[in-house]
Amino acid sequence: KNQVEQSPQSLIILEGKNCTLQCNYTVSPFSNLRWYKQDTGRGPVSLTIMTFSENTKSNRRYTATLDADTKQSSLHITASQLSDSASYICVVSFESGPYGGSQGNLIFGKGTKLSVKP
Amino acid sequence: EAGVAQSPRYKIIEKRQSVAFWCNPISGHATLYWYQQILGQGPKLLIQFQNNGVVDDSQLPKDRFSAERLKGVDSTLKIQPAKLEDSAVYLCASSHGGLGELFFGEGSRLTVL
Repeated sequence: KNQVEQSPQSLIILEGKNCTLQCNYTVSPFSNLRWYKQDTGRGPVSLTIMTFSENTKSNRRYTATLDADTKQSSLHITASQLSDSASYICVVSFESGPYGGSQGNLIFGKGTKLSVKP
Repeated sequence: EAGVAQSPRYKIIEKRQSVAFWCNPISGHATLYWYQQILGQGPKLLIQFQNNGVVDDSQLPKDRFSAERLKGVDSTLKIQPAKLEDSAVYLCASSHGGLGELFFGEGSRLTVL
């Protein structure tokens, strides 16, 4: 069964500290993996999109890693800020499916809720 | 570039009533999606349109939910009659198509009493 599992479910850190969020998936055949940030009451916003051949991708203070062999990804946040408080959602897409690569082949994780405290 | 627009942002109704949500995607995006996000969970795809045609509606509860995308631009999602378990945020998203980047709207939060 295609699944995306994220850990931890929630996390509280102090401002300025680093943290790492985990994503394990069993989606096959793999196409790409995305990390989204969702502020409370807002829609998700894309942070990174990684394909099979990409091991690391950075976006400002966010660094995503992908190990396609172990089917694991992580999102590392450096020097956290209060504005980083949000849910971070890992999304994995099929390489192909009954709809030939449509967005209907996206599998969403439940997200990690991050709270950054002053 | 204007983002995905949704309205209303909030709606409170009683069970068995009806409700409609509207979405205007990013200009030029052929693909439009409606997702349902229940509190504490990731979004679940309800329906996907390519221009004005339905690509995937396999998870849409068709006995009470309906959606249309007239002229391949704006879209409306309707629930009739609403149930308590329909309380959720309804997210609209659009993309150029295929497996490109997905852009989400701010969502419409529905509370069914």
